[in-house]
Amino acid sequence: GAVVSQHPSWVICKSGTSVKIECRSLDFQATTMFWYRQFPKQSLMLMATSNEGSKATYEQGVEKDKFLINHASLTLSTLTVTSAHPEDSSFYICSAPGEGAKNIQYFGAGTRLSVL
Amino acid sequence: AQTVTQSQPEMSVQEAETVTLSCTYDTSESDYYLFWYKQPPSRQMILVIRQEAYKQQNATENRFSVNFQKAAKSFSLKISDSQLGDAAMYFCAYKGGGDMRFGAGTRLTVKP
Repeated sequence: GAVVSQHPSWVICKSGTSVKIECRSLDFQATTMFWYRQFPKQSLMLMATSNEGSKATYEQGVEKDKFLINHASLTLSTLTVTSAHPEDSSFYICSAPGEGAKNIQYFGAGTRLSVL
Repeated sequence: AQTVTQSQPEMSVQEAETVTLSCTYDTSESDYYLFWYKQPPSRQMILVIRQEAYKQQNATENRFSVNFQKAAKSFSLKISDSQLGDAAMYFCAYKGGGDMRFGAGTRLTVKP
């Protein structure tokens, strides 16, 4: 099946710094990618939809200036958490729909962000 | 808006036994897909099984099968011959014309 690579898997940063998370579709093209946030023992909450070559679509309540999304190519989307604070600590997961795969979404392995 | 409800926060099953996880959803769309994803401790989301709404036949993947009741908007997952490796969080998901929606999840424990 299709593979989505997410990097890094774990990052620790100081409060006030910015962190970039990459999501790559390795063997297929993805004009759309999705970014989720997952708190411990909770479900995945969609943060935004990343669109290749255009602006991302953010879910209600998600700060656009805090969570910058760039989808510069058909295989790469990045999420930058700007001026991170401890409350941004969470598990972030990206996904991409497979090509002709009947609405199957393939997920990255996730990134654990810890802000000190 | 579409919603997905998993009413069982936790379930437990004895190894080699069968367990059923429940899921209901609400939608006004006629064309959609339903999924069960597994999230083990590694937190990697793994597709277990999917069902296309227009197909009446229940999907089956080895030990995993679904009971899809379209009129009742119910989509339960049956795991047969449970194995220790089946222990994980299981998420029911809906995909129609918009983005994918997930239920709250069911944590499955498998007892040896």
